[in-house]
Amino acid sequence: QKEVEQDPGPLSVPEGAIVSLNCTYSNSAFQYFMWYRQYSRKGPELLMYTYSSGNKEDGRFTAQVDKSSKYISLFIRDSQPSDSATYLCAMSRGGKLSFGAGTTVTVRA
Amino acid sequence: DVKVTQSSRYLVKRTGEKVFLECVQDMDHENMFWYRQDPGLGLRLIYFSYDVKMKEKGDIPEGYSVSREKKERFSLILESASTNQTSMYLCASNNGPSNQPQHFGDGTRLSIL
Repeated sequence: QKEVEQDPGPLSVPEGAIVSLNCTYSNSAFQYFMWYRQYSRKGPELLMYTYSSGNKEDGRFTAQVDKSSKYISLFIRDSQPSDSATYLCAMSRGGKLSFGAGTTVTVRA
Repeated sequence: DVKVTQSSRYLVKRTGEKVFLECVQDMDHENMFWYRQDPGLGLRLIYFSYDVKMKEKGDIPEGYSVSREKKERFSLILESASTNQTSMYLCASNNGPSNQPQHFGDGTRLSIL
């Protein structure tokens, strides 16, 4: 069993919809949680970074962490075609990152 | 902004060749990492380094080695390339406490024929 499981997708939504992305993890030692966005033929870029349970908001993006359930989510409000990308969850323990396999999202204009 | 530069975007090599992938970061980061990314498997850590001339094995080090002679440069070496090493290779760096987010280069897509 993988340490980090991510809904594989792909996900296709109309412009303006809310995108919901999820990851679960098995190791309670994970302390820091991140979401990266990766456009085609580019490297991952950091979207959100948090270490506590609860919600963190940044513009149209909200990251949610529930440590008791070992579950993290990313919500994208008012989705745009430019949000079409692969989204990777990542979590850190002892300085090493473990990644989900990624969810590819397409926002249709 | 942090800049992590990987020397080649695309590389084609033959089985048995020795392959060098180069990575340079311009923010004086202490920590550097090499990953490979494969469909359905996500990113997997090959090697990392916390300081010049220091290296640590990641989750899948077999068939790879690394070199860090200068703080800004981290090289990944495929000693004798094999077809199962065809993949996207990503370099990353971060600074300070190792739980800080990592910054990635744009990757090298390596094909071994």
